[in-house]
Amino acid sequence: GNSVTQMEGPVTLSEEAFLTINCTYTATGYPSLFWYVQYPGEGLQLLLKATKADDKGSNKGFEATYRKETTSFHLEKGSVQVSDSAVYFCALTVRSDKIIFGKGTRLHILP
Amino acid sequence: GAVVSQHPSRVICKSGTSVKIECRSLDFQATTMFWYRQFPKQSLMLMATSNEGSKATYEQGVEKDKFLINHASLTLSTLTVTSAHPEDSSFYICSARWADQETQYFGPGTRLLVL
Repeated sequence: GNSVTQMEGPVTLSEEAFLTINCTYTATGYPSLFWYVQYPGEGLQLLLKATKADDKGSNKGFEATYRKETTSFHLEKGSVQVSDSAVYFCALTVRSDKIIFGKGTRLHILP
Repeated sequence: GAVVSQHPSRVICKSGTSVKIECRSLDFQATTMFWYRQFPKQSLMLMATSNEGSKATYEQGVEKDKFLINHASLTLSTLTVTSAHPEDSSFYICSARWADQETQYFGPGTRLLVL
């Protein structure tokens, strides 16, 4: 079946540090891949997405590249800010079926 | 971007009462809406999928008589938690998409506390 595995948190970094949150997936067919962000007490917001191999999604300084050969979609940001503190969910969908979420990674950024 | 709202954002009710949560797509027609439940510090659990004008499809283990879903229009879906009990306390989140688009847009969530 389809599944998403992402690194467990919490991840704690200092402001301006480099961020990587790992995400790997298993899917039948050709999935579209997503990163969603959830700020405290709020719903999910789409952060970025990629729909085919080698696509790079980017938004607000975050990037992730769809790597079919390693079945990965790691989230990166060159310089994090305190306001980036949130929970990040990696997710996939195949042929517009329901979204499969990872368990989420909690990120704490210290000033 | 597409906007989805939920109402109320927070509700407290007594055990045994029913609670209705609304999910609205504000600037697009949502042919499909999804309802999720999220426990503290956990991922989202899909409860059901609803298509406009059709009966909702519930995930395994979700009681359809307990969680009534109505999707009567292209901009509104409702989730009614019937005869609520303390174990129903949770964060409920809806999402919506149009046609066969892959991207779902999420509402801000409704926090339900059953006393």
